Amino acid sequence: EVQLVDSGGDSVQPGGSLRLSCAASGFSIRNYWMSWVRQAPGKGLEWVASIKEDGGNQYYAGSVKGRFTVSRDLAKNSVYLQMNSLRAEDTATYYCAKVGQIPAAHFDYWGQGALVTVSS
Amino acid sequence: QSALTQPRSVSGSPGQSVTISCTGSRSDVGAYNFVSWYQQHPGKAPKLMIYDVSERPSGVPDRFSGSKSGNSASLTIFGLQVEDEADYFCCSYAGSHTVVFGGGTRLTVL
Repeated sequence: EVQLVDSGGDSVQPGGSLRLSCAASGFSIRNYWMSWVRQAPGKGLEWVASIKEDGGNQYYAGSVKGRFTVSRDLAKNSVYLQMNSLRAEDTATYYCAKVGQIPAAHFDYWGQGALVTVSS
Repeated sequence: QSALTQPRSVSGSPGQSVTISCTGSRSDVGAYNFVSWYQQHPGKAPKLMIYDVSERPSGVPDRFSGSKSGNSASLTIFGLQVEDEADYFCCSYAGSHTVVFGGGTRLTVL
């Protein structure tokens, strides 16, 4: 059974950093693209970043480019989102998602989400 | 990229059908047959309901149907059930390994 478990959410001050983790089971991340999608409180979904199955390429939304980094650890079958220079507008629940097929156009499995609050 | 446009809310009675629209542009919905739809119940993670415009993942009832015409896509739910009450989000591939979501539609089953 495919399962994604998100962790690492916390409250942080503006300008701070945080790393989210996504532990995958039931499949190997070496064979699939993985993504992060966020949802601000009471708002819609926003794609944040994707990492190719071979880890060689990463793609980012303009709103986070240069501040966020997506990476992975094959040994732990986990994906990470390093978030730096956090802003109030980054406050959201962050979901890890498995990409269904290439192009990375849809997400067939989602984690339960990790809440990130950026506030002074 | 601008978010896709969805109605804020729709409603229907049990047994009826409802359609949720999703309007994009020639750069996303109009350019690719990669529209997907997600159902989200309060406090839960999104769930994939439709991908590639009209394909249903295993386990999704055939009451859910997707279509596309030009720069717009639609999700139709036939034979509404109480458990269908949720938020629905459309999503389209926008090229260069990026996607754009709609703002979401709250479905109320009266």
